[in-house]
Amino acid sequence: DAKTTQPTSMDCAEGRAANLPCNHSTISGNEYVYWYRQIHSQGPQYIIHGLKNNETNEMASLIITEDRKSSTLILPHATLRDTAVYYCIVRVSNNDMRFGAGTRLTVKP
Amino acid sequence: NAGVTQTPKFRVLKTGQSMTLLCAQDMNHEYMYWYRQDPGMGLRLIHYSVGEGTTAKGEVPDGYNVSRLKKQNFLLGLESAAPSQTSVYFCASSYARGVTEAFFGQGTRLTVV
Repeated sequence: DAKTTQPTSMDCAEGRAANLPCNHSTISGNEYVYWYRQIHSQGPQYIIHGLKNNETNEMASLIITEDRKSSTLILPHATLRDTAVYYCIVRVSNNDMRFGAGTRLTVKP
Repeated sequence: NAGVTQTPKFRVLKTGQSMTLLCAQDMNHEYMYWYRQDPGMGLRLIHYSVGEGTTAKGEVPDGYNVSRLKKQNFLLGLESAAPSQTSVYFCASSYARGVTEAFFGQGTRLTVV
């Protein structure tokens, strides 16, 4: 699976959009981009995934560049409860799911 | 529907003791995983299983053994606990086919003294 690079930490004002970037320059054609988050010490929670097209669900939007070498997770109206560590994962299958260090997002009042 | 359940939630072991962590899922998932998370770090994959009776090594398998005798259960064993194995352990499960999400348990906090 391709390696991902994310900023260590980011801040966002409550009510504003949080844009979390992820670089995956070695991604191959059949690898999907997944996003999970981990709130405090809980188990990680799935957010969204995509292959080529932009995706949106009730939690977030995922924007993947045309060359697929990077992506951005967007939380449209961040709340204090969105403070968490966000993980970007690139993988083909469910076999061997590995997490990096993630981005620690702090939403401030 | 309980999802993924881990037992115990907390445990303190003495160096050299053994123990087994249990992960149970009721979603009929084929794949199951064990991770450890040290303070301030991301999750690291210990072992995983792609089906009943099969297991495979992840990133940090040394010092751990696993078994998947039943599809719904994935056991993680520590034969001789060491202080370096003090960590929070997470179990997860997912379907095998298709692009699917993984579901995680709430973790087991293990301290080895």
